[in-house]
Amino acid sequence: DAGVTQSPTHLIKTRGQHVTLRCSPISGHKSVSWYQQVLGQGPQFIFQYYEKEERGRGNFPDRFSARQFPNYSSELNVNALLLGDSALYLCASSPPSGVNYGYTFGSGTRLTVV
Amino acid sequence: QKEVEQNSGPLSVPEGAIASLNCTYSDRGSQSFFWYRQYSGKSPELIMFIYSNGDKEDGRFTAQLNKASQYVSLLIRDSQPSDSATYLCANQAGTALIFGKGTTLSVSS
Repeated sequence: DAGVTQSPTHLIKTRGQHVTLRCSPISGHKSVSWYQQVLGQGPQFIFQYYEKEERGRGNFPDRFSARQFPNYSSELNVNALLLGDSALYLCASSPPSGVNYGYTFGSGTRLTVV
Repeated sequence: QKEVEQNSGPLSVPEGAIASLNCTYSDRGSQSFFWYRQYSGKSPELIMFIYSNGDKEDGRFTAQLNKASQYVSLLIRDSQPSDSATYLCANQAGTALIFGKGTTLSVSS
Protein backbone atom coordinates (compact mmCIF):
# COMPACT_ATOMS: atom_id res chain seq x y z
CA ASP A 1 0.00 0.00 0.00
CA ALA A 2 1.23 3.47 -0.84
CA GLY A 3 1.74 5.81 2.06
CA VAL A 4 0.90 9.50 2.08
CA THR A 5 2.22 10.97 -1.15
CA GLN A 6 3.09 14.63 -1.62
CA SER A 7 4.14 16.60 -4.65
CA PRO A 8 6.33 18.26 -5.58
CA THR A 9 9.21 17.28 -3.28
CA HIS A 10 11.04 20.56 -3.72
CA LEU A 11 9.97 23.95 -4.96
CA ILE A 12 11.61 27.34 -5.36
CA LYS A 13 9.37 30.39 -5.69
CA THR A 14 9.83 34.14 -5.74
CA ARG A 15 8.30 36.48 -3.19
CA GLY A 16 4.76 37.46 -4.15
CA GLN A 17 4.12 34.34 -6.19
CA HIS A 18 1.49 31.71 -5.53
CA VAL A 19 2.12 28.02 -4.83
CA THR A 20 -0.01 24.86 -4.80
CA LEU A 21 1.05 21.77 -2.91
CA ARG A 22 -0.65 18.41 -3.34
CA CYS A 23 -1.27 15.43 -1.12
CA SER A 24 -2.86 12.01 -1.49
CA PRO A 25 -3.73 10.23 1.76
CA ILE A 26 -3.33 6.55 2.52
CA SER A 27 -6.03 4.51 0.83
CA GLY A 28 -9.10 4.41 3.07
CA HIS A 29 -8.11 7.49 5.04
CA LYS A 30 -10.61 10.31 4.78
CA SER A 31 -8.84 12.94 6.87
CA VAL A 32 -5.97 15.10 5.66
CA SER A 33 -4.05 17.62 7.72
CA TRP A 34 -1.42 20.14 6.69
CA TYR A 35 1.51 21.24 8.81
CA GLN A 36 4.33 23.74 8.33
CA GLN A 37 7.74 22.95 9.78
CA VAL A 38 10.31 25.71 9.89
CA LEU A 39 13.92 24.66 10.42
CA GLY A 40 14.61 23.94 14.08
CA GLN A 41 10.94 23.93 15.10
CA GLY A 42 8.26 21.32 15.46
CA PRO A 43 5.50 21.07 12.86
CA GLN A 44 2.76 23.69 13.21
CA PHE A 45 -0.86 22.89 12.36
CA ILE A 46 -2.35 24.69 9.36
CA PHE A 47 -5.57 22.85 8.39
CA GLN A 48 -7.49 19.64 8.76
CA TYR A 49 -10.04 18.42 6.24
CA TYR A 50 -12.43 15.52 6.63
CA GLU A 51 -14.92 14.44 3.99
CA LYS A 52 -14.14 17.62 2.02
CA GLU A 53 -15.02 19.89 4.93
CA GLU A 54 -12.62 22.02 6.93
CA ARG A 55 -12.54 20.66 10.47
CA GLY A 56 -9.77 22.79 11.92
CA ARG A 57 -7.61 25.78 11.14
CA GLY A 58 -4.41 26.87 12.81
CA ASN A 59 -3.10 30.36 13.37
CA PHE A 60 -2.11 31.13 9.79
CA PRO A 61 -3.05 34.16 7.65
CA ASP A 62 -5.74 34.05 4.99
CA ARG A 63 -3.03 33.72 2.36
CA PHE A 64 -3.14 30.04 3.24
CA SER A 65 -6.08 28.03 1.96
CA ALA A 66 -6.80 24.40 1.25
CA ARG A 67 -9.39 22.09 -0.13
CA GLN A 68 -10.13 18.38 -0.28
CA PHE A 69 -11.43 16.54 -3.30
CA PRO A 70 -13.98 13.69 -3.58
CA ASN A 71 -11.12 11.17 -3.76
CA TYR A 72 -9.82 12.63 -0.43
CA SER A 73 -6.70 14.12 -1.96
CA SER A 74 -5.96 17.68 -0.95
CA GLU A 75 -4.31 20.87 -2.08
CA LEU A 76 -2.68 23.57 0.02
CA ASN A 77 -2.49 26.98 -1.62
CA VAL A 78 -0.36 29.87 -0.45
CA ASN A 79 -0.74 33.30 -2.05
CA ALA A 80 1.58 36.30 -1.98
CA LEU A 81 4.53 34.27 -0.78
CA LEU A 82 6.83 35.75 1.83
CA LEU A 83 10.40 34.77 2.65
CA GLY A 84 9.08 33.46 5.99
CA ASP A 85 6.93 30.90 4.17
CA SER A 86 10.08 28.93 3.40
CA ALA A 87 9.58 25.65 5.22
CA LEU A 88 8.86 21.95 4.95
CA TYR A 89 5.14 21.47 4.33
CA LEU A 90 3.85 18.19 5.64
CA CYS A 91 0.64 16.41 4.85
CA ALA A 92 -0.74 13.83 7.28
CA SER A 93 -3.59 11.39 6.94
CA SER A 94 -5.51 9.48 9.57
CA PRO A 95 -8.23 6.83 9.41
CA PRO A 96 -11.87 7.61 10.23
CA SER A 97 -11.85 6.72 13.89
CA GLY A 98 -13.02 8.25 17.11
CA VAL A 99 -9.60 7.52 18.60
CA ASN A 100 -6.51 9.05 17.11
CA TYR A 101 -3.79 6.45 16.86
CA GLY A 102 -1.49 8.99 15.31
CA TYR A 103 -1.11 10.63 11.97
CA THR A 104 1.06 9.29 9.17
CA PHE A 105 3.06 12.00 7.49
CA GLY A 106 4.10 12.20 3.89
CA SER A 107 7.68 12.95 2.91
CA GLY A 108 6.86 16.64 2.63
CA THR A 109 7.35 19.46 0.17
CA ARG A 110 10.31 21.70 0.83
CA LEU A 111 9.41 25.21 -0.26
CA THR A 112 12.07 27.87 -0.65
CA VAL A 113 10.97 31.45 -1.23
CA VAL A 114 13.62 33.76 -2.64
CA GLN B 1 -2.00 29.13 24.40
CA LYS B 2 -1.57 25.36 24.36
CA GLU B 3 2.11 24.51 24.47
CA VAL B 4 4.38 21.51 24.50
CA GLU B 5 7.85 22.01 25.91
CA GLN B 6 10.93 19.91 25.22
CA ASN B 7 14.60 20.35 25.99
CA SER B 8 16.20 20.90 22.58
CA GLY B 9 19.37 19.07 23.58
CA PRO B 10 21.50 17.70 22.15
CA LEU B 11 21.23 14.67 24.38
CA SER B 12 24.31 12.52 23.95
CA VAL B 13 24.42 8.91 25.13
CA PRO B 14 26.84 6.04 24.39
CA GLU B 15 25.70 3.02 22.44
CA GLY B 16 23.84 0.55 24.64
CA ALA B 17 22.76 3.16 27.21
CA ILE B 18 19.23 4.28 28.07
CA ALA B 19 18.17 7.58 26.53
CA SER B 20 15.52 9.53 28.43
CA LEU B 21 13.53 12.21 26.61
CA ASN B 22 11.10 14.45 28.44
CA CYS B 23 8.15 16.63 27.55
CA THR B 24 5.68 18.81 29.45
CA TYR B 25 2.38 20.15 28.17
CA SER B 26 0.10 22.96 29.20
CA ASP B 27 -3.35 21.68 28.13
CA ARG B 28 -4.67 19.85 31.18
CA GLY B 29 -7.52 18.44 29.10
CA SER B 30 -5.21 16.62 26.68
CA GLN B 31 -5.96 12.92 26.34
CA SER B 32 -3.66 11.70 23.56
CA PHE B 33 0.12 11.94 23.38
CA PHE B 34 2.52 10.97 20.64
CA TRP B 35 6.23 10.58 20.07
CA TYR B 36 7.59 11.05 16.58
CA ARG B 37 11.14 10.47 15.36
CA GLN B 38 12.54 12.71 12.65
CA TYR B 39 15.80 12.06 10.87
CA SER B 40 17.56 15.05 9.39
CA GLY B 41 15.91 16.10 6.15
CA LYS B 42 13.07 13.59 6.54
CA SER B 43 9.48 13.75 7.71
CA PRO B 44 8.31 12.74 11.22
CA GLU B 45 7.65 9.04 11.84
CA LEU B 46 5.25 7.93 14.59
CA ILE B 47 6.95 5.65 17.10
CA MET B 48 4.64 5.67 20.14
CA PHE B 49 1.25 6.88 21.30
CA ILE B 50 -0.12 6.81 24.84
CA TYR B 51 -3.47 7.69 26.38
CA SER B 52 -3.45 6.28 29.88
CA ASN B 53 -1.38 7.18 32.91
CA GLY B 54 1.55 4.86 33.41
CA ASP B 55 3.92 3.09 31.08
CA LYS B 56 3.50 1.70 27.59
CA GLU B 57 6.22 -0.49 26.14
CA ASP B 58 6.96 -1.33 22.51
CA GLY B 59 10.24 -3.09 21.88
CA ARG B 60 13.10 -0.88 23.04
CA PHE B 61 10.76 2.08 23.54
CA THR B 62 8.77 2.92 26.68
CA ALA B 63 6.44 5.91 26.87
CA GLN B 64 5.46 7.21 30.29
CA LEU B 65 2.52 9.50 30.98
CA ASN B 66 1.73 11.39 34.18
CA LYS B 67 -1.37 13.52 33.62
CA ALA B 68 -1.31 15.00 37.13
CA SER B 69 2.15 16.43 36.46
CA GLN B 70 1.39 17.07 32.75
CA TYR B 71 4.53 15.15 31.85
CA VAL B 72 5.32 12.65 29.10
CA SER B 73 8.60 10.85 28.62
CA LEU B 74 10.18 8.42 26.20
CA LEU B 75 12.82 5.92 27.23
CA ILE B 76 14.95 4.22 24.60
CA ARG B 77 16.76 1.15 25.91
CA ASP B 78 19.93 -0.24 24.34
CA SER B 79 20.38 2.93 22.30
CA GLN B 80 21.86 2.44 18.83
CA PRO B 81 23.60 4.93 16.53
CA SER B 82 20.59 4.55 14.23
CA ASP B 83 18.46 6.12 17.01
CA SER B 84 20.29 9.42 16.45
CA ALA B 85 17.51 11.77 15.38
CA THR B 86 15.21 14.52 16.64
CA TYR B 87 12.36 13.27 18.82
CA LEU B 88 9.14 15.27 18.71
CA CYS B 89 6.55 15.13 21.46
CA ALA B 90 2.97 16.03 20.53
CA ASN B 91 -0.45 16.11 22.10
CA GLN B 92 -3.85 16.28 20.50
CA ALA B 93 -5.79 19.52 20.85
CA GLY B 94 -9.07 19.22 18.98
CA THR B 95 -8.23 18.42 15.39
CA ALA B 96 -4.62 19.54 15.69
CA LEU B 97 -1.45 17.99 16.99
CA ILE B 98 0.56 20.44 19.07
CA PHE B 99 4.26 19.67 18.74
CA GLY B 100 7.22 20.59 20.84
CA LYS B 101 10.40 21.84 19.17
CA GLY B 102 11.98 18.42 19.52
CA THR B 103 14.98 16.97 21.33
CA THR B 104 18.04 15.98 19.31
CA LEU B 105 19.49 12.65 20.39
CA SER B 106 23.01 11.61 19.48
CA VAL B 107 24.11 8.03 20.14
CA SER B 108 27.84 7.48 19.89
CA SER B 109 29.36 4.10 18.99
